[in-house]
Amino acid sequence: QVTLRESGPALVKPTQTLTLTCTFSGFSLSTSGMCVSWIRQPPGKALEWLARIDWDDDKYYSTSLKTRLTISKDTSKNQVVLTMTNMDPVDTATYYCARIPRIVGAYDYWGQGTLVTVSS
Amino acid sequence: EIVLTQSPGTLSLSPGERATLSCRASQSVSSSYLAWYQQKPGQAPRLLIYGASSRATGIPDRFSGSGSGTDFTLTISRLEPEDFAVYYCQQYGSSQGTFGQGTKVEIK
Repeated sequence: QVTLRESGPALVKPTQTLTLTCTFSGFSLSTSGMCVSWIRQPPGKALEWLARIDWDDDKYYSTSLKTRLTISKDTSKNQVVLTMTNMDPVDTATYYCARIPRIVGAYDYWGQGTLVTVSS
Repeated sequence: EIVLTQSPGTLSLSPGERATLSCRASQSVSSSYLAWYQQKPGQAPRLLIYGASSRATGIPDRFSGSGSGTDFTLTISRLEPEDFAVYYCQQYGSSQGTFGQGTKVEIK
């Protein structure tokens, strides 16, 4: 079955770089039409789309955050990595990775999310 | 970037009632790429509707989606106790995806 799991630090200091890893199983990111995104949700607030990487290694970023984000994949390890530079307390959120097959055009499987707190 | 605006912000209804949630886009969205999600506290979102009107696997038929262009609707025909949650619409564009700000369906 399809599963995704986010991992990374629970606490980062302001100005530090956050690195999150999404480890998945049950599908391959080398399959044509398969994509994985990162989405975050500050406590009590709405979902915010961050970035997407496609099976052909095309990458897309949130307009407001693109200067701080990098998304990459390691197909052999079934992992997608997101880095976010210059972390600020407003970046405190639960970070989710989710699968989006282009044929579906929606996030059909999600990880459980990982809470990242930015504080000195 | 396409902005999705959901209304109302909060919907107060009783079990058994009908819920109608709206999602309006700042520019036309392909119906193939408009989805709805349900989120309960402490949980990841759950896909309900994709392609504007197709139910995801295992979703009860009391959930239905409709609309095209810039106006989309999620309807819950008869609210069950487990349906009280926050609902988000989302569009999948060629370069970016965006979410609406959510509609909370609460027990009246």
